[in-house]
Amino acid sequence: DTEVTQTPKHLVMGMTNKKSLKCEQHMGHRAMYWYKQKAKKPPELMFVYSYEKLSINESVPSRFSPECPNSSLLNLHLHALQPEDSALYLCASSLREDEQFFGPGTRLTVL
Amino acid sequence: AQTVTQSQPEMSVQEAETVTLSCTYDTSESDYYLFWYKQPPSRQMILVIRQEAYKQQNATENRFSVNFQKAAKSFSLKISDSQLGDAAMYFCAVYAGGTSYGKLTFGQGTILTVHP
Repeated sequence: DTEVTQTPKHLVMGMTNKKSLKCEQHMGHRAMYWYKQKAKKPPELMFVYSYEKLSINESVPSRFSPECPNSSLLNLHLHALQPEDSALYLCASSLREDEQFFGPGTRLTVL
Repeated sequence: AQTVTQSQPEMSVQEAETVTLSCTYDTSESDYYLFWYKQPPSRQMILVIRQEAYKQQNATENRFSVNFQKAAKSFSLKISDSQLGDAAMYFCAVYAGGTSYGKLTFGQGTILTVHP
């Protein structure tokens, strides 16, 4: 298996909802990442997990809560989001420090 | 900190022709890596090509090649024999985090249109 998978592909949620995004990789990669991407803009790093431990939090609001239950799985729990949080959420993983492989993303719409 | 500049917001090319996308970067690190990623409308970021800064030889990957000018901090992507499937947004990126897992710094992207 040589890919990063993300579910769901699309998600619509209200500002009071709680939802989760899921990311999986079975390549034995040691690091996993969450990025947020607005239309026609580059991805912005949110979180990095290295060996299942949170190593980087780019000052992300607490309404986004990451979780890494094991080395293959990364979740992003969402609660009380704002309409401006609507974006494409990309997951990535890497074996080498310098190279990241991206999943197809989850398109999130917050109403 | 690293910065990446892509000065061409949009580029276009005729099918079968060659196009070059520009990228300049800045970093104070001596050990770093450079990348070009492609993001089609289907939205998945795909790694196109990778260059280690310590290597003088320019990387090539089939129809894709780079012109890496270390002194000028320039890293352009050449696409030969352009195909309709090359149409996408292209991001240049640099990694200078050493041996720790960290942040890719992206440029603002160049939208490439391929005309039949």
